[in-house]
Amino acid sequence: KAGVTQTPRYLIKTRGQQVTLSCSPISGHRSVSWYQQTPGQGLQFLFEYFSETQRNKGNFPGRFSGRQFSNSRSEMNVSTLELGDSALYLCASSQTAGTDTQYFGPGTRLTVL
Amino acid sequence: KQEVTQIPAALSVPEGENLVLNCSFTDSAIYNLQWFRQDPGKGLTSLLLIQSSQREQTSGRLNASLDKSSGRSTLYIAASQPGDSATYLCAATNTGNQFYFGTGTSLTVIP
Repeated sequence: KAGVTQTPRYLIKTRGQQVTLSCSPISGHRSVSWYQQTPGQGLQFLFEYFSETQRNKGNFPGRFSGRQFSNSRSEMNVSTLELGDSALYLCASSQTAGTDTQYFGPGTRLTVL
Repeated sequence: KQEVTQIPAALSVPEGENLVLNCSFTDSAIYNLQWFRQDPGKGLTSLLLIQSSQREQTSGRLNASLDKSSGRSTLYIAASQPGDSATYLCAATNTGNQFYFGTGTSLTVIP
């Protein structure tokens, strides 16, 4: 089975722009979670989608949004980029929720100049 | 809100040594706890998941324990190897799939 894939792997943007990141979960997995990882804050939960519905949301501003499609693929969008948004963005998939092991993708490295 | 702490932040051991990594959490009402490893610039690899009803899980040279009453989990690595060098993260979840991660322990195994 193919693992979790994320595209693109690297992105460079400037302040004020917006960006869309994509995540394809493992086949058969219906839950996708997104995380931001920075040296200062570590790994922080952004949101989780299950069956096209946002089920949980972390403590991030409204500039961060996401969605999930009927094939379980997910996208996250960050609008009006700030320097502090530079981070590794990771997505993870699991079969359903809660009790399941999470499988992470390799991440998208976003640099905001 | 769940807070997860990992001590020490960094650990260096000679090859072959057994070692223990620690993870503490503030809310004992966890749903499960998962241990991951992360190699530099890479995503996370799941190592072990312990359900709240379990006390430990084992996989090869790894053994993870969970003590909800004291808010602690440990990851025991037997006979460490240079390939074990990585950052180890623990994550606790209270509900659903919202994991709260610790800041990690950076492990270096010296040949």
